[in-house]
Amino acid sequence: DQQVKQNSPSLSVQEGRISILNCDYTNSMFDYFLWYKKYPAEGPTFLISISSIKDKNEDGRFTVFLNKSAKHLSLHIVPSQPGDSAVYFCAASAWGSQGNLIFGKGTKLSVKP
Amino acid sequence: EAQVTQNPRYLITVTGKKLTVTCSQNMNHEYMSWYRQDPGLGLRQIYYSMNVEVTDKGDVPEGYKVSRKEKRNFPLILESPSPNQTSLYFCASSLGPSTGELFFGEGSRLTVL
Repeated sequence: DQQVKQNSPSLSVQEGRISILNCDYTNSMFDYFLWYKKYPAEGPTFLISISSIKDKNEDGRFTVFLNKSAKHLSLHIVPSQPGDSAVYFCAASAWGSQGNLIFGKGTKLSVKP
Repeated sequence: EAQVTQNPRYLITVTGKKLTVTCSQNMNHEYMSWYRQDPGLGLRQIYYSMNVEVTDKGDVPEGYKVSRKEKRNFPLILESPSPNQTSLYFCASSLGPSTGELFFGEGSRLTVL
């Protein structure tokens, strides 16, 4: 059973507009959430994270929102740029899980000029 | 430059021929982990290590072995590879599992015929 779900395999957005990537989770023990970005032929790179004690974290053009009651988080990219085109993975961990970071299947974002 | 280095990057082998994928990090990280990425399945953890001589199974450990004799190295061993182990493998490291901010290698694409 998938504990971290990214239900949209792909998303296409126009340059300059907002990209919203969504992620749902089922395990209420998760207390730390992260987004990773992956370009082809490269390893994933850390993008932004949020602790369960917060509902929003912002870093430049990237903002992550966490809705604990809905077990939902989202990544907003504003404004979107062609260089943002990549696969985005949502990940979650639970305190005491001994390092088992659970990843979603990923969403491929395409930002068109 | 801080990095996680995996070798080989690409390998084609045959069923049953033992192979090792090496992983080395130069950031003095205590925590290291192996993931495999398969189409439609995202990133799944194979094994992780909290420190030297401390290793544990992730979600999909069957058919794999690891060792952590030195802090910087965490090789992944396939004693008798099978075609279902054809995958893209990523090694990752971090200061500790609770930070969640993993640094990934560039990946090793393995094909088992």
